[in-house]
Amino acid sequence: QKEVEQNSGPLSVPEGAIASLNCTYSDRGSQSFFWYRQYSGKSPELIMSIYSNGDKEDGRFTAQLNKASQYVSLLIRDSQPSDSATYLCAVNRGKLIFGQGTELSVKP
Amino acid sequence: DTEVTQTPKHLVMGMTNKKSLKCEQHMGHRAMYWYKQKAKKPPELMFVYSYEKLSINESVPSRFSPECPNSSLLNLHLHALQPEDSALYLCASSSGEGSGEGYTFGSGTRLTVV
Repeated sequence: QKEVEQNSGPLSVPEGAIASLNCTYSDRGSQSFFWYRQYSGKSPELIMSIYSNGDKEDGRFTAQLNKASQYVSLLIRDSQPSDSATYLCAVNRGKLIFGQGTELSVKP
Repeated sequence: DTEVTQTPKHLVMGMTNKKSLKCEQHMGHRAMYWYKQKAKKPPELMFVYSYEKLSINESVPSRFSPECPNSSLLNLHLHALQPEDSALYLCASSSGEGSGEGYTFGSGTRLTVV
């Protein structure tokens, strides 16, 4: 079992829709969870951090954490073509461990 | 200043060359990291420096040699690389190794070994 697992994608949504990205992790003791966005050929950019159970909202982005189910998700509301990128889920267990990433494509 | 600066942005080197990648941050962070990323794959941790001392070496081949001259600088010395070492090399930093926070990444160095 991989430490951090994501839907393999690619995920395609129409412009204006909600994009839902999911991630599970294996270490129940993990405390810190992150979503990075990576455009093709660029470096990862931190877009959301979440540390406690529940929802955290920042603009069009909502991160959700359920430690009992070892599940983290990212919702992107009103998706835009500029949101098209690979989204990496990461868990900090003393070092940052990444999932495989989900490629999101938002179609105009 | 919330940036991590990496130079050069692109590097092409032969298998017998010696080159260095450089990384600089002025955020007062005390932990710095090197990651390697191949196409369509996630970043993979190579080295961790905490308070200028090597903390983690993820079994990286000796042809990669990290160096942390001071709290703001991190180098990666390259020697006798193989074509399969071609990748995007990312530097990152955080306030501390055990801080539990996310890392800030530089823009990366795209390395091609010929």
